[in-house]
Amino acid sequence: TQTVSQSDAHVTVFEGDSVELRCNYSYGGSIYLSWYIQHHGHGLQFLLKYYSGNPVVQGVNGFEAEFSKSDSSFHLRKASVHWSDSAVYFCAVRGNSNNRIFFGDGTQLVVKP
Amino acid sequence: DMKVTQMPRYLIKRMGENVLLECGQDMSHETMYWYRQDPGLGLQLIYISYDVDSNSEGDIPKGYRVSRKKREHFSLILDSAKTNQTSVYFCASSYERSGNTLYFGEGSRLIVV
Repeated sequence: TQTVSQSDAHVTVFEGDSVELRCNYSYGGSIYLSWYIQHHGHGLQFLLKYYSGNPVVQGVNGFEAEFSKSDSSFHLRKASVHWSDSAVYFCAVRGNSNNRIFFGDGTQLVVKP
Repeated sequence: DMKVTQMPRYLIKRMGENVLLECGQDMSHETMYWYRQDPGLGLQLIYISYDVDSNSEGDIPKGYRVSRKKREHFSLILDSAKTNQTSVYFCASSYERSGNTLYFGEGSRLIVV
């Protein structure tokens, strides 16, 4: 069974700060990992994904994430956040053998001016 | 333009009434999903459809059924709605070969009174 854990339900930072949103997973086989963003009142939007290769993947709007097999993690980072980055961020994992995708509970990011 | 469209966006129904939530995508994606999102519970998978007339139960299928007669359309049906089915429902689609990339609709907010 795949599980996804986002340990921080809420993160508050100031505009211009760096931020890291944590994601840990448990799964025994090959997996796809991804991050999604959800602005209030809207659907989720894809940010970035990892399957193989360079463990640091770049996404839209300056986001990047780093895969660590040893830590079973796929943390999302941004060097300098903007107020418009305020949203809920979801980590997701999918096993290679099926189309079932499991989402974490989400991290609410608040960026203060 | 890659788009997942959900109708209606907002709906109020009385307990016991039937509910039809419709979803369309213009990307010829094989796989489509219905999720519900509730505060504190994250995204819960209701049904997944691998193609026309090829549907599988997700984690919480009870009280729901689905229909997929055309690849572009995936409907969620609630026969005799219950108050605990008040939620925001999201449809999503994915192109299998793209891995973990889901395209979400904007959501359908259902209130059952």
